[in-house]
Amino acid sequence: AQKVTQAQTEISVVEKEDVTLDCVYETRDTTYYLFWYKQPPSGELVFLIRRNSFDEQNEISGRYSWNFQKSTSSFNFTITASQVVDSAVYFCALSEAGSNTGKLIFGQGTTLQVKP
Amino acid sequence: DSGVTQTPKHLITATGQRVTLRCSPRSGDLSVYWYQQSLDQGLQFLIQYYNGEERAKGNILERFSAQQFPDLHSELNLSSLELGDSALYFCASSATGVSSYEQYFGPGTRLTVT
Repeated sequence: AQKVTQAQTEISVVEKEDVTLDCVYETRDTTYYLFWYKQPPSGELVFLIRRNSFDEQNEISGRYSWNFQKSTSSFNFTITASQVVDSAVYFCALSEAGSNTGKLIFGQGTTLQVKP
Repeated sequence: DSGVTQTPKHLITATGQRVTLRCSPRSGDLSVYWYQQSLDQGLQFLIQYYNGEERAKGNILERFSAQQFPDLHSELNLSSLELGDSALYFCASSATGVSSYEQYFGPGTRLTVT
């Protein structure tokens, strides 16, 4: 069965600290896609990144980086030198190619609070 | 701005009523998805349409229905509303109907059932 687990419900850090948000997934598909979305206090869902199951290269985009490890079924997200504007709920999501749909299975989300 | 529009932004209605939520996808996107976000259930996939046809169904109640029109906009109809239907309803769109493409989300419609 497909499942995404974000074990950290809430994280609180002080500005400029680094923070890692954990995501563990379960799937029987060999081809799948993993996503991270950000939901700021305004409520919209903002796409951050998509990775496919065949590409285990880590990715860096500015202060954001993602570590995909198939061996541990994890797709963790690190924010370096956090800022108050990073305060949001972050969702990890999975989409299985075998379903022949694009439906996303979301984790429960991690609320990140960055204090000044 | 994701390019996906949803109306209305807020909706307050009474139990037993029926409402329609509307979504316009990004220009060029053929697939539309509906998701429900509630405190107890989190973000749940409801239904997907691709180029006017239903592609996948998730945890959608029988009281709920949706459709995608020839101009690709979509409507989600919620009937016989119950208190538990209060939630944030998101529409998302993607270029195709498969998992390899990211979905872009609209701002959501916040439904309050009283």
